[in-house]
Amino acid sequence: GQNIDQPTEMTATEGAIVQINCTYQTSGFNGLFWYQQHAGEAPTFLSYNVLDGLEEKGRFSSFLSRSKGYSYLLLKELQMKDSASYLCAVTVVGGFKTIFGAGTRLFVKA
Amino acid sequence: KAGVTQTPRYLIKTRGQQVTLSCSPISGHRSVSWYQQTPGQGLQFLFEYFSETQRNKGNFPGRFSGRQFSNSRSEMNVSTLELGDSALYLCASSFSGRVDNEQFFGPGTRLTVL
Repeated sequence: GQNIDQPTEMTATEGAIVQINCTYQTSGFNGLFWYQQHAGEAPTFLSYNVLDGLEEKGRFSSFLSRSKGYSYLLLKELQMKDSASYLCAVTVVGGFKTIFGAGTRLFVKA
Repeated sequence: KAGVTQTPRYLIKTRGQQVTLSCSPISGHRSVSWYQQTPGQGLQFLFEYFSETQRNKGNFPGRFSGRQFSNSRSEMNVSTLELGDSALYLCASSFSGRVDNEQFFGPGTRLTVL
């Protein structure tokens, strides 16, 4: 079976750093995506990890530990526009489908 | 390059009716996936199509069906609508549907069942 867990909501302050965790239990795990979704908009791609380690892309970084079934998305120098839902999603080998977690709503306050 | 388009953007139906939603992928993309999004549940996978073939299906009742045309456009149909079908239906396209392909999402169709 497949199970993905993320915190439901998080609040952080503008300019700060926030880490959004995602744990998964998935048969045939292949890789892990992070998507950002602003309210009323479509999800947009942030990152994809297939190997263990940290991938940095500007203010956003994503980490994966395959052995622990764990990933996190790190957002630095938070801006008000980062207020959004962050969706963790896993893909399985040969599955032709992406399994999404319920998402974490991030509120950035001044 | 035009993005993924979905029509209609909003629909209001009553219980028992049926509905057809349409999705046009990005030009050159051959894989289309459909998702149902509800508050608290997140995105639930409905099905994926590639070259007019359904390659995978989620855990939804048979009232949910779909198809893909030779130009990669896709439709999904929900018959005998229930109140619980009220949701945002998103389609996403990718080049080949490979597990490492980034998906590009359309704006969604907001379905309300009364």
